[in-house]
Amino acid sequence: QVQLVESGGGVVQPGKSLRLSCAASGFTFSSDGMHWVRQAPGKGLEWVAVISYDGSYKSYADSVKGRFTISRDNSKNTLYLQMNSLRAEDTAVYYCAKDFLGTTPNFDLWGQGTLVTVSS
Amino acid sequence: QSALTQPASLSGSPGQSITISCTGTSSDLGNYKLVSWYQQHPGKAPKLMIYEDIKRPSGVSYRFSGSKSGNTASLTISGLQAEDEADYYCCSFAGFSTNVVFGGGTKLTVL
Repeated sequence: QVQLVESGGGVVQPGKSLRLSCAASGFTFSSDGMHWVRQAPGKGLEWVAVISYDGSYKSYADSVKGRFTISRDNSKNTLYLQMNSLRAEDTAVYYCAKDFLGTTPNFDLWGQGTLVTVSS
Repeated sequence: QSALTQPASLSGSPGQSITISCTGTSSDLGNYKLVSWYQQHPGKAPKLMIYEDIKRPSGVSYRFSGSKSGNTASLTISGLQAEDEADYYCCSFAGFSTNVVFGGGTKLTVL
């Protein structure tokens, strides 16, 4: 079954860290670029970060640059998002998304999302 | 404030056609053939409806079509059905500095 499954969300205090995971199955994970996209409660979609198929290229939204790190382990078919120095405005559902055309925004497969709540 | 501008809401009756606009700049939407459109039902993950401005993925209804002129892209839904009621987002590549920008989303109501 072709799918992405996120995990690792939860409630965390401001300033703390959290690591999200995205497990891929049913397709050749090592061939595709991957993104993280988030959605604050009741708000629109916001792109967070991208990583190329082999991990050699990474890029971040200005809102998370220097605090978040995207990575992948192709041997484990898993994408990660390390989130440090979390702020209240990082509260959102975080989706991982597969990019079937490289690292440009063409997301043909999305996970179900994992909720991150930053609150004291 | 989103980088791409969409109408906040639109409505239409079953059987009608509607068009959702998405306006960007010559630095993003107008400079690349990389506009995509996503449909999102409440509580669900987004679904790809159009990519590379005008292409429709397999499995997406022919009633959905994309177009672009200058700095404005459009998603047209013909023969509106109740199941089309959802939020729609446009998205574009914006160069390797900014990378990806989304529109603010359009809530489509089928009357």
